[in-house]
Amino acid sequence: DSGVTQTPKHLITATGQRVTLRCSPRSGDLSVYWYQQSLDQGLQFLIQYYNGEERAKGNILERFSAQQFPDLHSELNLSSLELGDSALYFCASGGRLAGNTDTQYFGPGTRLTVL
Amino acid sequence: GNSVTQMEGPVTLSEEAFLTINCTYTATGYPSLFWYVQYPGEGLQLLLKATKADDKGSNKGFEATYRKETTSFHLEKGSVQVSDSAVYFCALTLYNQGGKLIFGQGTELSVKP
Repeated sequence: DSGVTQTPKHLITATGQRVTLRCSPRSGDLSVYWYQQSLDQGLQFLIQYYNGEERAKGNILERFSAQQFPDLHSELNLSSLELGDSALYFCASGGRLAGNTDTQYFGPGTRLTVL
Repeated sequence: GNSVTQMEGPVTLSEEAFLTINCTYTATGYPSLFWYVQYPGEGLQLLLKATKADDKGSNKGFEATYRKETTSFHLEKGSVQVSDSAVYFCALTLYNQGGKLIFGQGTELSVKP
């Protein structure tokens, strides 16, 4: 158990809909990272938050957004969903210091299926 | 740009065989290097890491040495077990990029009894 929790575990929805994925980091970790794992793109970094502030952005679509709350949990919002958004979405936490390249601990993931 | 390239899978081995999974990287600056493992239906777990040239990471019988001259971080294990069957990901981070992981495409390992 990595100490990172993600909910829900599975999500099935229709095209055009909006969903919210939730992540709670390990106790004491200030950074949250979101990654997308799909068969064609592999594991891709989406976005990072550190202590409530956006820190780095990767290949995140404009239809996607995220935030980190004062209690450090994070939410990833996916809107106007398309079939191609079906993937496994991982949250990772780590980086007790900003910019640290220390270990990232991954949650179990949320499997999103868009029908 | 910064990238990681892994040998293609799947790799199929018999129990107790020697394992090598090749990983090479391209990076501007001095990356930290990682191997993560993903068991079926689970998230990623850190297997080992190395943060500077010539460092050797090791864990659970797996080893990898950070070779700056060949920009490589090959994963090895002397004697694999059926329980090692999983997908292995090589990854790097760069200090000035906030710590985001850049992953290779993953190598699936299947160990037969």
